[in-house]
Amino acid sequence: GDSVTQMEGPVTLSEEAFLTINCTYTATGYPSLFWYVQYPGEGLQLLLKATKADDKGSNKGFEATYRKETTSFHLEKGSVQVSDSAVYFCALSDSGGSNYKLTFGKGTLLTVNP
Amino acid sequence: DAGVIQSPRHEVTEMGQEVTLRCKPISGHNSLFWYRQTMMRGLELLIYFNNNVPIDDSGMPEDRFSAKMPNASFSTLKIQPSEPRDSAVYFCASRPGTGREETQYFGPGTRLLVL
Repeated sequence: GDSVTQMEGPVTLSEEAFLTINCTYTATGYPSLFWYVQYPGEGLQLLLKATKADDKGSNKGFEATYRKETTSFHLEKGSVQVSDSAVYFCALSDSGGSNYKLTFGKGTLLTVNP
Repeated sequence: DAGVIQSPRHEVTEMGQEVTLRCKPISGHNSLFWYRQTMMRGLELLIYFNNNVPIDDSGMPEDRFSAKMPNASFSTLKIQPSEPRDSAVYFCASRPGTGREETQYFGPGTRLLVL
């Protein structure tokens, strides 16, 4: 079945550091790929997405490129801020017939210190 | 748009009691999802509705759990009887349609504690 593997956390960085959170996937079809973010005490919200190979999703300084050849969708940000502290989830939308649902990774906790 | 609305936000109950969680999806969204989040298991999909019809309930843990969607603007998740291991955060999410590229929009969650 479809699956998502993302790097284990927690990740602790200093403000303005470079961030990479690795995500790889296994899928039988042609999934769409997503990064969701969960701030403390809140629900998940979409950070960015990519729907086909070589697409780059970007939002709030975060970027991720859909790499079909390496089945990866790594999240990057050039300079993190304290306000980026949250849990980040990589997800794919699988080809469940005509009704697609999300398969999530386990989440990576990011803490950014001032 | 008010987003996905869940109630209650917090629930504390005793083992054996019935618990009902409520969700109002975003207007016009055709798909609705119930998830459970715990430290041990992460985020688990419990059930998925499309046009008010349950499509996939393979994630519902056992017969103590049931979910309904009587109309396009309301869904419930019921646990009867509740047990301490049901303690978790329960999220409802909705989506405009069924395409693979579409975004799910999550509610703020209900934090359930069963004593």
